[in-house]
Amino acid sequence: DAGVIQSPRHEVTEMGQEVTLRCKPISGHNSLFWYRQTMMRGLELLIYFNNNVPIDDSGMPEDRFSAKMPNASFSTLKIQPSEPRDSAVYFCASSRSSGRAVGEQFFGPGTRLTVL
Amino acid sequence: KNQVEQSPQSLIILEGKNCTLQCNYTVSPFSNLRWYKQDTGRGPVSLTIMTFSENTKSNGRYTATLDADTKQSSLHITASQLSDSASYICVVSAGAGSYQLTFGKGTKLSVIP
Repeated sequence: DAGVIQSPRHEVTEMGQEVTLRCKPISGHNSLFWYRQTMMRGLELLIYFNNNVPIDDSGMPEDRFSAKMPNASFSTLKIQPSEPRDSAVYFCASSRSSGRAVGEQFFGPGTRLTVL
Repeated sequence: KNQVEQSPQSLIILEGKNCTLQCNYTVSPFSNLRWYKQDTGRGPVSLTIMTFSENTKSNGRYTATLDADTKQSSLHITASQLSDSASYICVVSAGAGSYQLTFGKGTKLSVIP
């Protein structure tokens, strides 16, 4: 099993540019999570999908952030326009869920985003 | 508000020595507590999971304890190795099967030769 795959691993962009982060969950997992990690705040949940449907997006900072899951094997997190305060490590995690019960979350390697 | 506090923030120990990391939580309702290891540049990986009724759980040289009455947990690392250098994150789940996790900010452990 390849685990959760994220791309790119590193992204450096200039303020105002659009950034798209990508995630491929573990095959067979039906729940997907996007997290942001900073030194100050630790890990924070941005959005949670179950069976490709967004269930909880209350952690999305503002309208500049959007996430999609067009199918069970792919998700994107987009920031447009990006700002320096968006600099962080973004993690995707997936789990196998049954009904409302969510199993152990497995994390990808993360994307380190730097906005200049 | 659900919170997880970890101490110390960082720790440096000599290879071969033991250490204990602390976690205090105020999460309700409580379902389970996990300790994650996060190597530099990698995602967190689960080391142990404990439910309300479990007091201790071991995974090799890692032993986690849980006191549900005082809402405290500890992670003890025995005979530390250089590869133990990482951040250790305490994570509490609220409610059985809940997707909502409360993360501590982690303890950064450095093991030096």
